[in-house]
Amino acid sequence: DVKVTQSSRYLVKRTGEKVFLECVQDMDHENMFWYRQDPGLGLRLIYFSYDVKMKEKGDIPEGYSVSREKKERFSLILESASTNQTSMYLCASSPGEDLVNSPLHFGNGTRLTVT
Amino acid sequence: GQNIDQPTEMTATEGAIVQINCTYQTSGFNGLFWYQQHAGEAPTFLSYNVLDGLEEKGRFSSFLSRSKGYSYLLLKELQMKDSASYLCAASDSNYQLIWGAGTKLIIKP
Repeated sequence: DVKVTQSSRYLVKRTGEKVFLECVQDMDHENMFWYRQDPGLGLRLIYFSYDVKMKEKGDIPEGYSVSREKKERFSLILESASTNQTSMYLCASSPGEDLVNSPLHFGNGTRLTVT
Repeated sequence: GQNIDQPTEMTATEGAIVQINCTYQTSGFNGLFWYQQHAGEAPTFLSYNVLDGLEEKGRFSSFLSRSKGYSYLLLKELQMKDSASYLCAASDSNYQLIWGAGTKLIIKP
């Protein structure tokens, strides 16, 4: 079974702090994704990566950056946390070259609160 | 624009059958995913429909009509553990996944 592990389940940070969310997958998947999940909204894609050191903006990249130095690890960085970034953050991975037609394997999420 | 609609919440009785609908409007269309998400947990993949028709997987079935922009997830012999949110997502021809907001399914004894 694919395992996608997010380093923290809950985080509380202050406005203006730099925040790192870490995600590791153990199945050698090419593609990795960061989503945020907010009540009443569908999942929104922040950034994705289809290979080491490659990254692409999703639908809502503003205020975020990512890093993929190793194939198994995809980090999401909030450069200067703001209260509107309080959310559930979900990391996902998928195999192969097809970014949207392969099932995603999700981590359990990090619930981030920015005060 | 691109849009996916599904009911916000549904209630059903243990042992019964429930159908969760999903309608979509996308720029081109490749396929339709269903995921299950228990509270506080990761979404997990249930099904992926590309062709019209019904695909059955045990107690769960998923249906797609490409011409109508419509899909449903059918859950039979409901169990308490089926209480969860069910997310539908459509992949479009621009290699994007469009997500619905999810349907919270409440199962009552």
